[in-house]
Amino acid sequence: DAGVTQSPTHLIKTRGQQVTLRCSPKSGHDTVSWYQQALGQGPQFIFQYYEEEERQRGNFPDRFSGHQFPNYSSELNVNALLLGDSALYLCASSLLGQAYEKLFFGSGTQLSVL
Amino acid sequence: KNEVEQSPQNLTAQEGEFITINCSYSVGISALHWLQQHPGGGIVSLFMLSSGKKKHGRLIATINIQEKHSSLHITASHPRDSAVYICAVRYGGATNKLIFGTGTLLAVQP
Repeated sequence: DAGVTQSPTHLIKTRGQQVTLRCSPKSGHDTVSWYQQALGQGPQFIFQYYEEEERQRGNFPDRFSGHQFPNYSSELNVNALLLGDSALYLCASSLLGQAYEKLFFGSGTQLSVL
Repeated sequence: KNEVEQSPQNLTAQEGEFITINCSYSVGISALHWLQQHPGGGIVSLFMLSSGKKKHGRLIATINIQEKHSSLHITASHPRDSAVYICAVRYGGATNKLIFGTGTLLAVQP
């Protein structure tokens, strides 16, 4: 049973470019949440997707957008990259309504913006 | 002020020591998670608590809902316990998002 998988593991971009990160949830999970973790900080909630729609959103600009596919996998897109977007991007999957279950995270995508 | 505060931020211990990491939060929650993050990024869920105490091997987690406080204890610490330990809370109601603390960097020396 595969856990949460993310790709790519590392990515280097330059300012102004656009990036797409991908996440496949754990088998049986239908909800995907994305987090940004800056160096030395705890993860910050970006948004959550369920039934191909954004359910909740954190305090991130519209440059951050996402998508969920019918197979529950998800993409995070960031446009007009800034140096400050350099961070570890984590994906977590869960089953909607199961607020009390353990969390499952991917290993993350390390994004460096030069 | 962060909604979720952890202490200490950094902790160095000798192998075999008993370790305590603390987490305080500011409003009522539905659940609290303790997570472990090793260098390279991967996060592993250790515990989910809504009340009381849980134990898994050498790890013990407690929560006091009235005091809005949780602790993670590691007994007989080992160098392989070296990692960042993160507390995350989920608030009640319809929201499903997590609020994370900034983490405690633990280094256990042999």
